[in-house]
Amino acid sequence: EAQVTQNPRYLITVTGKKLTVTCSQNMNHEYMSWYRQDPGLGLRQIYYSMNVEVTDKGDVPEGYKVSRKEKRNFPLILESPSPNQTSLYFCASSSPGTDTQYFGPGTRLTVL
Amino acid sequence: AQSVTQLDSHVSVSEGTPVLLRCNYSSSYSPSLFWYVQHPNKGLQLLLKYTSAATLVKGINGFEAEFKKSETSFHLTKPSAHMSDAAEYFCVVRGISGGYNKLIFGAGTRLAVHP
Repeated sequence: EAQVTQNPRYLITVTGKKLTVTCSQNMNHEYMSWYRQDPGLGLRQIYYSMNVEVTDKGDVPEGYKVSRKEKRNFPLILESPSPNQTSLYFCASSSPGTDTQYFGPGTRLTVL
Repeated sequence: AQSVTQLDSHVSVSEGTPVLLRCNYSSSYSPSLFWYVQHPNKGLQLLLKYTSAATLVKGINGFEAEFKKSETSFHLTKPSAHMSDAAEYFCVVRGISGGYNKLIFGAGTRLAVHP
């Protein structure tokens, strides 16, 4: 089954404790993105990647890092999480020249 | 720059009545537009998309949307609401950033369906 998976699905952590949210897709897509969803703001892009070792900032990159060492994986790293990063995070993937992005199930992060 | 504005943050309808979720877009070129749905505690599902073909686009679950360039609108409709339609709906325009097809989301419209 074609899918995007994220882990963990739920995470509660404390300020300053480094964490990583993993994202993996099995559709051989070149493009991958991370979004955060906040009430009244819709989804906003954090980082995106056009291929292995090619990443760039989206609209709200502050406080986040990403890496793309393999085509299927695109982890999101919070080196020192803060309460304003409490949010619902989505990973997405797509192929060049197509209009459809496939979204993961989401990761709900709470930073205390 | 591309943007979308969803005109209603909440819409409430009775089961069996029509649904109208409004979206206006802004784009400096011919846009690609989408509607996504998010059911409670679920991920995002593509309902339909417009990519400069037919202006009336049919999607899944009986939804459709009409692209009106003169009004810069892309409203989502359904003739008869079902309880299972209760969800949050996002109007989305495709933006271009460094050659990457970025999705720009509206703030969302929460649809409630009452018996």
